[in-house]
Amino acid sequence: GAVVSQHPSWVICKSGTSVKIECRSLDFQATTMFWYRQFPKQSLMLMATSNEGSKATYEQGVEKDKFLINHASLTLSTLTVTSAHPEDSSFYICSARTASGTDTQYFGPGTRLTVL
Amino acid sequence: KQEVTQIPAALSVPEGENLVLNCSFTDSAIYNLQWFRQDPGKGLTSLLLIQSSQREQTSGRLNASLDKSSGRSTLYIAASQPGDSATYLCAVSGNTPLVFGKGTRLSVIA
Repeated sequence: GAVVSQHPSWVICKSGTSVKIECRSLDFQATTMFWYRQFPKQSLMLMATSNEGSKATYEQGVEKDKFLINHASLTLSTLTVTSAHPEDSSFYICSARTASGTDTQYFGPGTRLTVL
Repeated sequence: KQEVTQIPAALSVPEGENLVLNCSFTDSAIYNLQWFRQDPGKGLTSLLLIQSSQREQTSGRLNASLDKSSGRSTLYIAASQPGDSATYLCAVSGNTPLVFGKGTRLSVIA
């Protein structure tokens, strides 16, 4: 149980285009989802916390107008990278926390974004 | 601000050796500490979660300990195998969102 999926697993796009990444909790309801970014040989850095039905909370230094997050249902959150640039190329990982409120996060497999 | 440090950054050992990975954190007010495994280009696999009230957790050949007062945790891997080769991440949960260390890159040589 507690499986989180991400789609796509990898994407290559041209500079200036927008890319949407989906994060789904497959067998549980997630009131909270988290979006992380990981650069090569670096740790995961939290970008934003997404609560179902409300606006996402962004970490300091993360542009909310560039990284649009929507958490429209208890099983789906999306991250849209708008007007992507090569420096946005990274590994994006989501995680989901169950509605029971425990602190355990379940992580998705990640999405590799390459912006040309 | 919570900071998590993992030492060593990389480790290479021959198959069969027992090894210890270290994790330290600056703020001892944590809810729990987790150890994850990450294979290249992949997501995270949770290995062990230790609640703040616990001292250790065991799963198979893995044993994780937690000393909250000193801000330290260790991950002990017994009888290492080539399949254990991966990056091991430590993360703490507290008043701030989950904070990760940079990981230890482990290579087990057959």
